[in-house]
Formats: sequence, structure tokens, C-alpha cells
Amino acid sequence: DVKVTQSSRYLVKRTGEKVFLECVQDMDHENMFWYRQDPGLGLRLIYFSYDVKMKEKGDIPEGYSVSREKKERFSLILESASTNQTSMYLCASSLWGSEKLFFGSGTQLSVL
Amino acid sequence: DQQVKQNSPSLSVQEGRISILNCDYTNSMFDYFLWYKKYPAEGPTFLISISSIKDKNEDGRFTVFLNKSAKHLSLHIVPSQPGDSAVYFCAASLTGNQFYFGTGTSLTVIP
Repeated sequence: DVKVTQSSRYLVKRTGEKVFLECVQDMDHENMFWYRQDPGLGLRLIYFSYDVKMKEKGDIPEGYSVSREKKERFSLILESASTNQTSMYLCASSLWGSEKLFFGSGTQLSVL
Repeated sequence: DQQVKQNSPSLSVQEGRISILNCDYTNSMFDYFLWYKKYPAEGPTFLISISSIKDKNEDGRFTVFLNKSAKHLSLHIVPSQPGDSAVYFCAASLTGNQFYFGTGTSLTVIP
């Protein structure tokens, strides 16, 4: 069965901390994505990657960076966490050219 | 600018009745449209999709209709069940490698 695994379900961090959110997929998908979900705003794309070591900015990349050293792993990094980055973070993957996205269970991040 | 819009944040329907969720888009280049369902504290799961060359796709109780001239799609759930209560996201795809999501509609099916 298809699986996208996010390392933490819930995370609490302090303002200014560096935060790593990890995502692993076991489907050999080329494409990986990071979204955040906020009430009334839906899912907004932060960064995506079409291949190892490749990354593209999405709609809201400010304050974030990503790393994709291996095909199956896509990490989201908050360089200096701020309270407005409190959100549900969702990782997703897809096969190149496929219309279907597979999502992880999400990480609810609270920045205090 | 939001390329995919869901103008109804919430919808309540009686069990057994039809649920109709609506979605509008602005980019005529989108080639696939999808609906995802999301329960609280879980990631969205794929529900149904439709290619831009079709106007209807059916899967069990779920049917998606596409009106390209109006840049509008809708999801019909018949009959609605309490387990269908969730947030539904409409999404549009460009070449399968870029996805744009709406803001979601929270559906409540009343037993």
C-alpha cells in the first residue's frame, strides 16, 4: 500500500528555533510537495521537488527551505520559527505526470 | 491570486439526500481536476478525478461534473452518509506536476 510518512504528528517549538519536518515516501515517486493548511485558506504550496537535489518555490516559500538528498525523503526546514508558522503541515508525493497526490497524515506545528 | 475557489465554506445535508459541492477555477490550461476528502488530524485522501476532456466521471456514490465553458466543477454525493462528513478540497492540476487547491468545504451529514 502507498505510504507517505511524516515523522511527527504534533510538534511544539519556541520562537527562533530551527525546525525540521521530515517526510518519507515508499512509492519511488519523483515529485514531492510541502503544503500548509490553515482555516479559511485551504492548502497552500510551500515548496516542491521533481527530483533529487531539485527544488522549486511554491506560493509561500518565505521563511522556509527544503532539502532532498534522497529520492524518498523531502525535508522542510523553518530556519527561525515564528508564531505565524503555527499550522498543519502536509507532505505529499506523486509520480511524474500523474494527476494523483498521496498525502501524509500531517504535522500540527505550534510555535510559542 | 486564488486559481481554484470553493465559495461555500460549509454545507449541511440530511442523511440519504444529495450533497453538491461546488468549485470554480480561472485557468483554462488545467488538464485534470480532483476532489480530496480530509478528516480532522489526517492527511487528505484522493476521492475522484476528471480529465479536462470529459464532462462527467462516476465512482459509486460519487460523481464529478465538469463545465469547461463556465470553468466550474461539482461533486455530487448520493445518497449522503454520516461517514461522508469531512472537509472536501477541490484541486486542479497542470500537466500532473503542479496542483492548486481550493479552500475547502466542510460537509456535515445529519443522521
